[in-house]
Amino acid sequence: AQKITQTQPGMFVQEKEAVTLDCTYDTSDQSYGLFWYKQPSSGEMIFLIYQGSYDEQNATEGRYSLNFQKARKSANLVISASQLGDSAMYFCAVYSSASKIIFGSGTRLSIRP
Amino acid sequence: GAGVSQTPSNKVTEKGKYVELRCDPISGHTALYWYRQSLGQGPEFLIYFQGTGAADDSGLPNDRFFAVRPEGSVSTLKIQRTERGDSAVYLCASSLRKGVVTDTQYFGPGTRLTVL
Repeated sequence: AQKITQTQPGMFVQEKEAVTLDCTYDTSDQSYGLFWYKQPSSGEMIFLIYQGSYDEQNATEGRYSLNFQKARKSANLVISASQLGDSAMYFCAVYSSASKIIFGSGTRLSIRP
Repeated sequence: GAGVSQTPSNKVTEKGKYVELRCDPISGHTALYWYRQSLGQGPEFLIYFQGTGAADDSGLPNDRFFAVRPEGSVSTLKIQRTERGDSAVYLCASSLRKGVVTDTQYFGPGTRLTVL
């Protein structure tokens, strides 16, 4: 069975600082994908970044980067130069050929001005 | 282009009633997913369609829940004899299904269902 663990229910960060949101996963599949989604108070899930299990380099998308440590089964999201608009819930998810996508319980990020 | 749309945005119903929730995926997306999100939790998978057929319905909680996608585009999630525990936000997502593990899903705004 797949499992995603996000150990930080809430985080407060000063504007313009970098922030790391933790995510560990458990899967027995060799091939899988890892995703991060942002969910603002409006409720819509916004795709941020994807990392494939066979990708050798960490994924980056603008201010978002994924710190992928395969041996540790860790896929932390790093947001550089945080902005007030980054305040939202953040969900990590794993998707494999043997399973549907499984989401973690989320981390609520609050950016202080 | 247009994203995933869901209607209604809010639905309030009484216990025991029947409800239908609609999802209109991104044009050209062959895969469609339904999720349920309870307060303070991540989305929970319900059902996945590839084209018109339900490829995986293992997440449906019981036989009161049913979903269709008759023409391979719009999908309707149907809940019979609603219970208060069905109250949640129901999210729909679609994807191109170009690959399995690289399949990025794009979500709609959700339907907030409240069962009184």
